[in-house]
Amino acid sequence: NAGVTQTPKFQVLKTGQSMTLQCAQDMNHNSMYWYRQDPGMGLRLIYYSASEGTTDKGEVPNGYNVSRLNKREFSLRLESAAPSQTSVYFCASRRVIDYTFGSGTRLTVV
Amino acid sequence: GQQLNQSPQSMFIQEGEDVSMNCTSSSIFNTWLWYKQDPGEGPVLLIALYKAGELTSNGRLTAQFGITRKDSFLNISASIPSDVGIYFCAGQLSSGSARQLTFGSGTQLTVLP
Repeated sequence: NAGVTQTPKFQVLKTGQSMTLQCAQDMNHNSMYWYRQDPGMGLRLIYYSASEGTTDKGEVPNGYNVSRLNKREFSLRLESAAPSQTSVYFCASRRVIDYTFGSGTRLTVV
Repeated sequence: GQQLNQSPQSMFIQEGEDVSMNCTSSSIFNTWLWYKQDPGEGPVLLIALYKAGELTSNGRLTAQFGITRKDSFLNISASIPSDVGIYFCAGQLSSGSARQLTFGSGTQLTVLP
Protein backbone atom coordinates (compact mmCIF):
# COMPACT_ATOMS: atom_id res chain seq x y z
CA ASN A 1 0.00 0.00 0.00
CA ALA A 2 1.16 3.52 -0.77
CA GLY A 3 2.22 5.56 2.21
CA VAL A 4 4.96 6.21 4.72
CA THR A 5 6.94 3.27 6.08
CA GLN A 6 8.95 3.54 9.28
CA THR A 7 11.40 1.05 10.71
CA PRO A 8 11.84 -0.26 13.30
CA LYS A 9 8.47 -0.23 15.08
CA PHE A 10 10.01 -0.73 18.51
CA GLN A 11 13.52 -0.22 19.89
CA VAL A 12 15.17 -0.26 23.29
CA LEU A 13 18.52 1.50 23.62
CA LYS A 14 20.96 1.94 26.43
CA THR A 15 22.02 5.46 27.31
CA GLY A 16 24.84 6.52 25.02
CA GLN A 17 24.04 4.10 22.22
CA SER A 18 23.36 5.36 18.72
CA MET A 19 20.76 4.37 16.19
CA THR A 20 19.06 5.51 13.01
CA LEU A 21 15.32 5.56 12.45
CA GLN A 22 14.40 4.93 8.85
CA CYS A 23 11.54 6.47 6.90
CA ALA A 24 10.51 6.00 3.28
CA GLN A 25 7.54 7.30 1.28
CA ASP A 26 6.33 6.18 -2.11
CA MET A 27 4.01 9.07 -2.90
CA ASN A 28 6.61 11.27 -4.64
CA HIS A 29 6.17 13.99 -1.99
CA ASN A 30 8.79 16.71 -1.79
CA SER A 31 8.52 17.54 1.91
CA MET A 32 9.23 15.15 4.77
CA TYR A 33 9.14 15.58 8.54
CA TRP A 34 10.17 13.95 11.79
CA TYR A 35 8.00 14.47 14.88
CA ARG A 36 8.16 13.13 18.40
CA GLN A 37 5.07 12.46 20.47
CA ASP A 38 5.14 12.56 24.26
CA PRO A 39 2.16 12.11 26.59
CA GLY A 40 0.09 15.25 26.90
CA MET A 41 2.28 17.23 24.49
CA GLY A 42 0.98 16.48 21.05
CA LEU A 43 3.52 16.15 18.25
CA ARG A 44 6.60 18.32 18.17
CA LEU A 45 8.68 18.87 15.07
CA ILE A 46 12.29 17.68 15.28
CA TYR A 47 13.57 18.26 11.74
CA TYR A 48 12.10 18.66 8.31
CA SER A 49 13.17 18.54 4.71
CA ALA A 50 11.32 20.82 2.33
CA SER A 51 12.83 19.11 -0.68
CA GLU A 52 15.53 16.65 -1.62
CA GLY A 53 18.90 18.00 -0.58
CA THR A 54 17.64 20.38 2.12
CA THR A 55 17.07 19.90 5.85
CA ASP A 56 16.12 22.34 8.60
CA LYS A 57 15.67 22.31 12.35
CA GLY A 58 12.25 22.21 13.89
CA GLU A 59 11.13 22.94 17.43
CA VAL A 60 13.18 20.27 19.27
CA PRO A 61 16.29 19.38 17.20
CA ASN A 62 18.87 18.96 19.98
CA GLY A 63 20.35 15.47 20.15
CA TYR A 64 19.24 14.52 16.63
CA ASN A 65 20.57 14.61 13.10
CA VAL A 66 18.82 13.87 9.84
CA SER A 67 19.68 12.84 6.31
CA ARG A 68 17.51 13.26 3.24
CA LEU A 69 19.07 10.41 1.32
CA ASN A 70 16.92 10.89 -1.76
CA LYS A 71 13.37 11.99 -2.50
CA ARG A 72 11.93 8.85 -0.90
CA GLU A 73 13.99 8.50 2.25
CA PHE A 74 14.50 10.70 5.31
CA SER A 75 16.36 9.20 8.27
CA LEU A 76 16.68 10.40 11.86
CA ARG A 77 19.82 9.63 13.85
CA LEU A 78 20.43 9.66 17.57
CA GLU A 79 24.19 9.81 18.08
CA SER A 80 24.17 9.30 21.85
CA ALA A 81 20.75 8.35 23.15
CA ALA A 82 19.48 9.84 26.40
CA PRO A 83 16.48 8.83 28.54
CA SER A 84 14.82 12.15 27.60
CA GLN A 85 14.62 10.83 24.04
CA THR A 86 12.24 8.08 25.08
CA SER A 87 9.25 8.82 22.90
CA VAL A 88 7.20 7.76 19.91
CA TYR A 89 8.68 9.07 16.68
CA PHE A 90 6.60 9.77 13.60
CA CYS A 91 7.75 10.44 10.09
CA ALA A 92 5.45 12.26 7.69
CA SER A 93 5.47 13.42 4.11
CA ARG A 94 3.40 16.18 2.56
CA ARG A 95 1.83 17.21 -0.69
CA VAL A 96 0.05 20.59 -0.41
CA ILE A 97 -2.01 20.27 2.80
CA ASP A 98 -2.09 16.48 2.77
CA TYR A 99 0.25 15.13 5.44
CA THR A 100 0.63 11.36 5.56
CA PHE A 101 2.10 9.89 8.74
CA GLY A 102 3.85 6.61 9.29
CA SER A 103 2.73 4.30 12.07
CA GLY A 104 5.55 5.36 14.37
CA THR A 105 8.65 4.03 16.13
CA ARG A 106 8.36 3.52 19.86
CA LEU A 107 11.81 4.17 21.34
CA THR A 108 12.79 3.52 24.95
CA VAL A 109 16.17 4.66 26.27
CA VAL A 110 17.19 3.03 29.53
CA GLY B 1 7.32 28.70 19.56
CA GLN B 2 3.64 28.88 18.79
CA GLN B 3 1.31 27.33 21.34
CA LEU B 4 -1.98 25.59 20.74
CA ASN B 5 -4.23 25.01 23.73
CA GLN B 6 -6.56 22.09 23.15
CA SER B 7 -9.41 21.19 25.47
CA PRO B 8 -10.59 19.09 27.03
CA GLN B 9 -7.62 16.78 27.57
CA SER B 10 -9.92 13.78 27.87
CA MET B 11 -13.59 12.93 27.57
CA PHE B 12 -15.71 9.98 28.59
CA ILE B 13 -19.08 9.91 26.83
CA GLN B 14 -21.94 7.52 26.26
CA GLU B 15 -22.45 6.06 22.82
CA GLY B 16 -24.86 8.26 20.89
CA GLU B 17 -23.87 11.50 22.60
CA ASP B 18 -22.43 14.49 20.80
CA VAL B 19 -18.87 15.64 21.47
CA SER B 20 -17.23 19.02 21.19
CA MET B 21 -13.56 19.96 21.50
CA ASN B 22 -11.66 23.11 20.67
CA CYS B 23 -8.29 24.69 20.15
CA THR B 24 -7.09 28.21 20.76
CA SER B 25 -3.84 29.80 19.73
CA SER B 26 -1.84 32.85 20.67
CA SER B 27 -0.98 33.26 16.98
CA ILE B 28 -2.94 33.49 13.78
CA PHE B 29 -3.00 30.47 11.48
CA ASN B 30 -3.94 30.34 7.82
CA THR B 31 -5.09 26.73 7.95
CA TRP B 32 -6.58 24.61 10.70
CA LEU B 33 -6.53 20.83 10.56
CA TRP B 34 -8.10 18.14 12.69
CA TYR B 35 -6.52 14.69 12.99
CA LYS B 36 -7.49 11.43 14.67
CA GLN B 37 -4.95 8.97 16.01
CA ASP B 38 -5.84 5.34 16.68
CA PRO B 39 -3.68 3.33 19.11
CA GLY B 40 -0.38 2.30 17.55
CA GLU B 41 -0.94 4.38 14.43
CA GLY B 42 -0.02 7.78 13.10
CA PRO B 43 -2.51 10.66 12.90
CA VAL B 44 -4.97 10.65 10.03
CA LEU B 45 -6.48 13.83 8.62
CA LEU B 46 -10.20 14.30 9.32
CA ILE B 47 -10.97 17.84 8.22
CA ALA B 48 -9.02 20.78 6.78
CA LEU B 49 -10.18 24.40 7.11
CA TYR B 50 -8.76 27.14 4.91
CA LYS B 51 -10.75 30.32 5.53
CA ALA B 52 -11.75 32.27 8.63
CA GLY B 53 -15.39 31.51 9.45
CA GLU B 54 -15.42 28.35 7.36
CA LEU B 55 -17.67 25.56 8.59
CA THR B 56 -16.93 22.14 7.10
CA SER B 57 -18.53 18.74 7.62
CA ASN B 58 -17.27 15.24 6.99
CA GLY B 59 -19.99 12.75 7.84
CA ARG B 60 -20.73 13.08 11.57
CA LEU B 61 -17.83 15.50 12.01
CA THR B 62 -18.17 19.27 11.80
CA ALA B 63 -15.34 21.74 12.26
CA GLN B 64 -15.11 25.50 12.15
CA PHE B 65 -12.28 27.95 11.54
CA GLY B 66 -12.69 30.82 13.98
CA ILE B 67 -13.23 34.35 12.74
CA THR B 68 -10.15 35.60 14.57
CA ARG B 69 -8.07 32.81 12.93
CA LYS B 70 -6.85 31.94 16.41
CA ASP B 71 -9.28 29.14 17.21
CA SER B 72 -11.13 26.15 15.85
CA PHE B 73 -13.59 23.58 17.14
CA LEU B 74 -14.55 20.04 16.20
CA ASN B 75 -17.94 18.46 16.85
CA ILE B 76 -18.75 14.77 16.57
CA SER B 77 -22.42 13.92 16.49
CA ALA B 78 -24.01 10.64 17.62
CA SER B 79 -20.75 9.09 18.79
CA ILE B 80 -20.03 5.42 18.11
CA PRO B 81 -17.41 3.06 19.61
CA SER B 82 -15.00 3.48 16.69
CA ASP B 83 -14.75 7.21 17.48
CA VAL B 84 -12.41 6.24 20.33
CA GLY B 85 -8.94 7.72 19.90
CA ILE B 86 -6.92 10.88 20.31
CA TYR B 87 -8.02 13.94 18.38
CA PHE B 88 -5.48 16.61 17.53
CA CYS B 89 -5.89 20.07 16.17
CA ALA B 90 -3.06 21.52 14.12
CA GLY B 91 -2.43 24.97 12.76
CA GLN B 92 -0.38 25.88 9.75
CA LEU B 93 1.09 29.10 8.45
CA SER B 94 1.28 29.28 4.68
CA SER B 95 4.54 31.17 4.71
CA GLY B 96 7.78 29.28 4.32
CA SER B 97 8.54 26.39 2.03
CA ALA B 98 7.95 23.64 4.54
CA ARG B 99 4.54 24.75 5.87
CA GLN B 100 5.14 23.33 9.29
CA LEU B 101 2.29 22.17 11.48
CA THR B 102 1.89 23.13 15.12
CA PHE B 103 -0.10 20.51 17.03
CA GLY B 104 -2.35 20.78 20.04
CA SER B 105 -1.79 18.39 22.94
CA GLY B 106 -4.72 16.19 21.97
CA THR B 107 -8.13 15.15 23.32
CA GLN B 108 -8.42 11.51 24.38
CA LEU B 109 -11.96 10.37 23.61
CA THR B 110 -13.50 7.30 25.23
CA VAL B 111 -16.96 6.15 24.14
CA LEU B 112 -18.80 4.00 26.64
CA PRO B 113 -21.35 1.47 25.37
